[in-house]
Amino acid sequence: AQTVTQSQPEMSVQEAETVTLSCTYDTSENNYYLFWYKQPPSRQMILVIRQEAYKQQNATENRFSVNFQKAAKSFSLKISDSQLGDTAMYFCAFLTGNQFYFGTGTSLTVIP
Amino acid sequence: GAGVSQSPSNKVTEKGKDVELRCDPISGHTALYWYRQRLGQGLEFLIYFQGNSAPDKSGLPSDRFSAERTGESVSTLTIQRTQQEDSAVYLCASSLVGGQGGYEQYFGPGTRLTVT
Repeated sequence: AQTVTQSQPEMSVQEAETVTLSCTYDTSENNYYLFWYKQPPSRQMILVIRQEAYKQQNATENRFSVNFQKAAKSFSLKISDSQLGDTAMYFCAFLTGNQFYFGTGTSLTVIP
Repeated sequence: GAGVSQSPSNKVTEKGKDVELRCDPISGHTALYWYRQRLGQGLEFLIYFQGNSAPDKSGLPSDRFSAERTGESVSTLTIQRTQQEDSAVYLCASSLVGGQGGYEQYFGPGTRLTVT
């Protein structure tokens, strides 16, 4: 069975600071994809970043980067220079075959 | 349209009534997913459509839940004899192809269902 665990239900960060959200997963698959999604209060889920398991290089999208440790099955999200608009729920997701598995989310609050 | 749309955005219904939720995926997206999100929780997979293949219904919680999709376009999720535990946000997502290509999902804004 595939599982995704986000052990931090809530986090806060000062504006302009850096924060790291953790995610671990469990799978016996070798080929899979990992994603971080953001869900602001508006409810619209938005893709933040995507990582292919076969790539060793960590994905980066502007202020967002991941630390992908395949052996440890860890996929953390680092947000640099946090902005007020980053306040949202963040979901880690794992894709294998045709099914996505989501973690329970981390609620991030950016404090002005 | 430019994104995934869902209707209605909010639905309040009495216990025991049937409801129908609609999803319009992005044009050209062959894969379509339905999820349920209870308050403060993550996403619970319900059903997956890929082209003309038989849908993956493994996530449907009971036989009161059903979904249909017309070709590669609109999908409807029907909940019969609604119960209070069905209250949740129902999210629809579409992607270019199924998971084998690793394509990300694009989500709609969801339908908030409240069963009174």
